[in-house]
Amino acid sequence: DADVTQTPRNRITKTGKRIMLECSQTKGHDRMYWYRQDPGLGLRLIYYSFDVKDINKGEISDGYSVSRQAQAKFSLSLESAIPNQTALYFCATSDHGTGVNEQFFGPGTRLTVL
Amino acid sequence: QKEVEQDPGPLSVPEGAIVSLNCTYSNSAFQYFMWYRQYSRKGPELLMYTYSSGNKEDGRFTAQVDKSSKYISLFIRDSQPSDSATYLCAMSPLQGGKLIFGQGTELSVKP
Repeated sequence: DADVTQTPRNRITKTGKRIMLECSQTKGHDRMYWYRQDPGLGLRLIYYSFDVKDINKGEISDGYSVSRQAQAKFSLSLESAIPNQTALYFCATSDHGTGVNEQFFGPGTRLTVL
Repeated sequence: QKEVEQDPGPLSVPEGAIVSLNCTYSNSAFQYFMWYRQYSRKGPELLMYTYSSGNKEDGRFTAQVDKSSKYISLFIRDSQPSDSATYLCAMSPLQGGKLIFGQGTELSVKP
């Protein structure tokens, strides 16, 4: 079974719609992250959470919001989707105790905004 | 200017070649350096990490950090078609801190 799961895997939506991407993990990690990946731009951090009560903005948080419902669940919302939010979205987790901050990634959600 | 710069490629080499992948960075506070490998339609996976300057070897892979030049490299010896993937460098100033990723280099190893 996958340790980090993301739903949906693919989503096509229209401009102005609100959508939610969900991430669940069974690794028992306390830290969770949302990234987007665009060709030529690599991975850019949207939001991150070091525990259930801790939410922090990343490099590109405008137009996004998050909710950490439990240690194992971290969701990303696009309040009013726009075409330049078309990208591949990854959730990741890490354990603060390891020191290295190895991040474990989910399989990704491919989002298309028309 | 991005904090971390990486040539996106694509890079195509014949099987058995030595591959050199590189990143430059501007933040002298970076202490932890990582290489992630991402296969098509998959999430990235940690391949190697190093702390501060120096080399680290793991099988056919060698990671090298030159902090004086703000330059890191990943060498792949005897490259195989199974090494075809996108390689992303990542770095952090703090142990357990946020990671800053490079753009990723797409590598193709031809049989």
